[in-house]
Amino acid sequence: GDSVTQMEGPVTLSEEAFLTINCTYTATGYPSLFWYVQYPGEGLQLLLKATKADDKGSNKGFEATYRKETTSFHLEKGSVQVSDSAVYFCALSDRLNDYKLSFGAGTTVTVRA
Amino acid sequence: NAGVTQTPKFRVLKTGQSMTLLCAQDMNHEYMYWYRQDPGMGLRLIHYSVGEGTTAKGEVPDGYNVSRLKKQNFLLGLESAAPSQTSVYFCASIPGPMNTEAFFGQGTRLTVV
Repeated sequence: GDSVTQMEGPVTLSEEAFLTINCTYTATGYPSLFWYVQYPGEGLQLLLKATKADDKGSNKGFEATYRKETTSFHLEKGSVQVSDSAVYFCALSDRLNDYKLSFGAGTTVTVRA
Repeated sequence: NAGVTQTPKFRVLKTGQSMTLLCAQDMNHEYMYWYRQDPGMGLRLIHYSVGEGTTAKGEVPDGYNVSRLKKQNFLLGLESAAPSQTSVYFCASIPGPMNTEAFFGQGTRLTVV
């Protein structure tokens, strides 16, 4: 079945540092890939997405490229801020599975001033 | 536009008690999902629905039941609560095949003692 593996945390960075969170996936079909973010005490919200190979999703300075050849969707941000402290989830969904989201375990990111 | 609303937000149950969690969305979404979030395990799918009157099992359905009598509501029931069901429960909905971005509720924190 479909599955997602993402870099384990926690990750602690200084403000303006470069952030990367690795994510790889296994899927039988042609999934869409997502990064969701969860701020303390809140639900998940979509950060960015990519629906086909070589698509690049971007939002709020974050980027991720759908790499079919390496089955990866790594999240990057060039200069993090304290407000980026959150838990980040990589996920995929596929129409063959009724668009159910399969999530990675989540990576906790803490940015210090 | 309220989005996805979950009630209650917090609940403490005694082992063996029953309860129902309500998820309501006002976006006319077709697909709805119940997930549970446990530390280090990401989100796991309990049950889901692809439209009014339909339900299907997810990854961890045991001990839970669901109903989708109205398109906007998706109910999750615990028939006889167990400590292993202590978790944070999230409801999500997506519009349908043309837009698979998931919208999440704020979560319900359930403790079974």
